[in-house]
Amino acid sequence: GEDVEQSLFLSVREGDSSVINCTYTDSSSTYLYWYKQEPGAGLQLLTYIFSNMDMKQDQRLTVLLNKKDKHLSLRIADTQTGDSAIYFCAEMGTGFQKLVFGTGTRLLVSP
Amino acid sequence: GAVVSQHPSRVICKSGTSVKIECRSLDFQATTMFWYRQFPKKSLMLMATSNEGSKATYEQGVEKDKFLINHASLTLSTLTVTSAHPEDSSFYICSARAEGEQFFGPGTRLTVL
Repeated sequence: GEDVEQSLFLSVREGDSSVINCTYTDSSSTYLYWYKQEPGAGLQLLTYIFSNMDMKQDQRLTVLLNKKDKHLSLRIADTQTGDSAIYFCAEMGTGFQKLVFGTGTRLLVSP
Repeated sequence: GAVVSQHPSRVICKSGTSVKIECRSLDFQATTMFWYRQFPKKSLMLMATSNEGSKATYEQGVEKDKFLINHASLTLSTLTVTSAHPEDSSFYICSARAEGEQFFGPGTRLTVL
């Protein structure tokens, strides 16, 4: 079945850039997503990228997709303490049946 | 963006009782809703996919008699945890799909004593 992996933890200082990485196994992925989850809350969609793109930028967020290596990354520029949360990547395969989530990366931003 | 609500946000119940969790799409109609379970510091595990007016499709390993899902209208799906036990304690999140995008509810924290 599909498998989506992320590093568990990332710690950065306020103002630095954060890069969160994700690898997936499903070569038929059509859309790949990044979600943010704050403590005790549901998921907030941050951004997504279609599989035929290799980069997407949205304000402080840059998504890079290497489809050959099945590698997705999320770069947050000028990271703020309010960015501290868990970040999940997710992929949607063909048929748009269901999202498969990664293991989540806990981002800690220190002042 | 579209809003999905869940009720209750927290529930504590005794072992052996049943608990119902509601998921509502507030400003859109959702033909498909999803129920996820999240263990502490873990990812979301899809439990079932619910289509309005038909039976839910459960993921492998999820007991359909234990986790009853009803999707009676285009704006409401319910998850009932029957005869709850402490191992059912978890964070349950619903999601509703509209125009190709999934919107997530804020989650329900279930604690079974």
